[in-house]
Amino acid sequence: QVQLVESGGGVVQPGGSLRLSCAASGFTFSSYGIHWVRQAPGKGLEWVAFIRYDGGNKYYADSVKGRFTISRDNSKNTVFLQMNSLRTDDSAVYYCAKDPAVVVITPPDYWGQGTLVTVSS
Amino acid sequence: QSALTQPASVSASPGQSITISCTGTSSDVGAYNYVSWYQQHPGKAPKLMIYDVTNRPSGVSNRFSGSKSGNTASLTISGLQADDEADYYCSSYIRSSTPVVFGGGTKLTVL
Repeated sequence: QVQLVESGGGVVQPGGSLRLSCAASGFTFSSYGIHWVRQAPGKGLEWVAFIRYDGGNKYYADSVKGRFTISRDNSKNTVFLQMNSLRTDDSAVYYCAKDPAVVVITPPDYWGQGTLVTVSS
Repeated sequence: QSALTQPASVSASPGQSITISCTGTSSDVGAYNYVSWYQQHPGKAPKLMIYDVTNRPSGVSNRFSGSKSGNTASLTISGLQADDEADYYCSSYIRSSTPVVFGGGTKLTVL
């Protein structure tokens, strides 16, 4: 069965950095794109970033562009989200989620359990 | 990009039916059949309930159905049960440098 497991969350000061990981299993990882989606406490879902199956195309929300970098290692079935210059409004549960399509980008199907990022002094 | 528009809350009694709307634009919901719906219980990850406007993933009850008309997609839940009480989010592809957009979410209360 499809499994996505996020890790790397924690407490960081404003301006700091954090690297999230998403370990995948149960499907042919190298054939599917992966999304990161976040949810601030008590708020709705916000799409953050997407990486194509081969890492060739990457997309970012305007709110994180220039600060966050998405990457993947298909040999380790893992996607990363490098988060720099963190702000208090980046505090959220971060989910990685699998895109069900191969050719196009679509909303995700399977989601991980999420990892909490808290940006606070 | 702007979020898709959903009602903040809906409520109904067990056994009744409800419909949640998700209004976008001719650049997202109206242009593509890549609309999904998610159910999220408190403290849990979102769960896919409907994809590609009308399709149900394996294991999702047939009490859940999706449709679309113009720029508005809808999720209908029939025969409401207590466990249906949750937050529901719609999402769509948008031809943009930010290719996925979510709705603001709808809190469903089963009275």
